[in-house]
Amino acid sequence: GAGVSQSPSNKVTEKGKDVELRCDPISGHTALYWYRQSLGQGLEFLIYFQGNSAPDKSGLPSDRFSAERTGGSVSTLTIQRTQQEDSAVYLCASSLAPELGYGYTFGSGTRLTVV
Amino acid sequence: AQSVAQPEDQVNVAEGNPLTVKCTYSVSGNPYLFWYVQYPNRGLQFLLKYITGDNLVKGSYGFEAEFNKSQTSFHLKKPSALVSDSALYFCAVRADNYGQNFVFGPGTRLSVLP
Repeated sequence: GAGVSQSPSNKVTEKGKDVELRCDPISGHTALYWYRQSLGQGLEFLIYFQGNSAPDKSGLPSDRFSAERTGGSVSTLTIQRTQQEDSAVYLCASSLAPELGYGYTFGSGTRLTVV
Repeated sequence: AQSVAQPEDQVNVAEGNPLTVKCTYSVSGNPYLFWYVQYPNRGLQFLLKYITGDNLVKGSYGFEAEFNKSQTSFHLKKPSALVSDSALYFCAVRADNYGQNFVFGPGTRLSVLP
């Protein structure tokens, strides 16, 4: 597609429920990233996928968080047993070739509110 | 290790005045440097980048930034600020020989006052 697409744009969920956030990167972009941004704050790295390599999961805050990327394209971030501190905007980004200096293209994010 | 500092949480300027948003970095190796802007309730948008070549790079919306290797800085500038420039600005860096992940600064909120 023309840009990075994220869905849903907003999600309100009850504490303890599981949620799935979807990211559809730009076609052909081999690198895909998930970040979390709390209200008006900086970006917290969560996870990174590059081609068929094992993902870099070093930023995931707990084992309640997981992500997968199917067929090198669409990615799903899953949060199990959501907590109020999970409330944030979850941003997805993709890149054609970060090792060559290509930057990220970001999606508009999913605003998650845990009540 | 890579790191980025944006020493100012908030920058206020009057419309029409020049603006500067500061960024300093630390990397092992040559840096790839980026500026992104985030308008309210929007995702991050690319402004400009330095990879190699001229130290002064020009980007979107009249912004420019100067790479200064000796001071390890990449300050964002604009000669004449607009109210519509009010947003959150992020500097990001990665080394050309280190991993694939960019490190983002904490962000600087720019307010341009009419």
